[in-house]
Amino acid sequence: QVQLQQSGPGLVKPSQTLSLTCAISGDSVSSNSAAWNWIRQSPSRGLEWLGRTYYRSRWYNEYAVSVKSRITINPDTSKNRFSLQLNSVTPEDTAVYYCTRTGDGGDYWGQGTLVTVSS
Amino acid sequence: QSVLTQPPSASGTPGQRVTISCSGSSSNIGRNTVNWYQQLPGTAPKVLIYSNNQRPSGVPDRFSGSKSGTSASLAISGLQSEDEADYFCAAWDDSLKGWVFGGGTKLTAL
Repeated sequence: QVQLQQSGPGLVKPSQTLSLTCAISGDSVSSNSAAWNWIRQSPSRGLEWLGRTYYRSRWYNEYAVSVKSRITINPDTSKNRFSLQLNSVTPEDTAVYYCTRTGDGGDYWGQGTLVTVSS
Repeated sequence: QSVLTQPPSASGTPGQRVTISCSGSSSNIGRNTVNWYQQLPGTAPKVLIYSNNQRPSGVPDRFSGSKSGTSASLAISGLQSEDEADYFCAAWDDSLKGWVFGGGTKLTAL
């Protein structure tokens, strides 16, 4: 059974960087049949896919147009996890952030992290 | 404004069959499979249906999915009070190159 455990701060100041990590158990971040995503949810924007990283003989990263200039998703093979960095945050980035796994073998979500952008 | 369109609410009496629709376009539902998620208050979404009509192990067969053209539907037969939740559809969009979601349907058991 795949489990995703999120960690990271729940409060970020405007203009700073939001950083979250998703630890994977029961699968490998280097799996050739999975993709590792970050999704957020807010009352104003609903569910919004932010981006993903996946390995198919080499690493690929794909990002939503809405955040492409501010986002980085990195795999960490040594610790079997992946991370999200979102730069220059504003109050509009306040949301519950989820890490997820998609692909063969099932669709799994982390527990969610409420991130509030406020001074 | 969500890319996929769902009714904001649906309701039924216990035991009844309820359907929730999800409308998209040729770049998402028209070309790719649809997932359905159930979200209970304060929890993460959980996949109910993947690849249009497949149920993960542990999901009751009261839940079923279908797709036709650029639309999809989730059906819940024998509605139970514990089915009260928000339901979301999702699909990969080839034009946007990302996952897109419906705005969610709040299901109430009357």
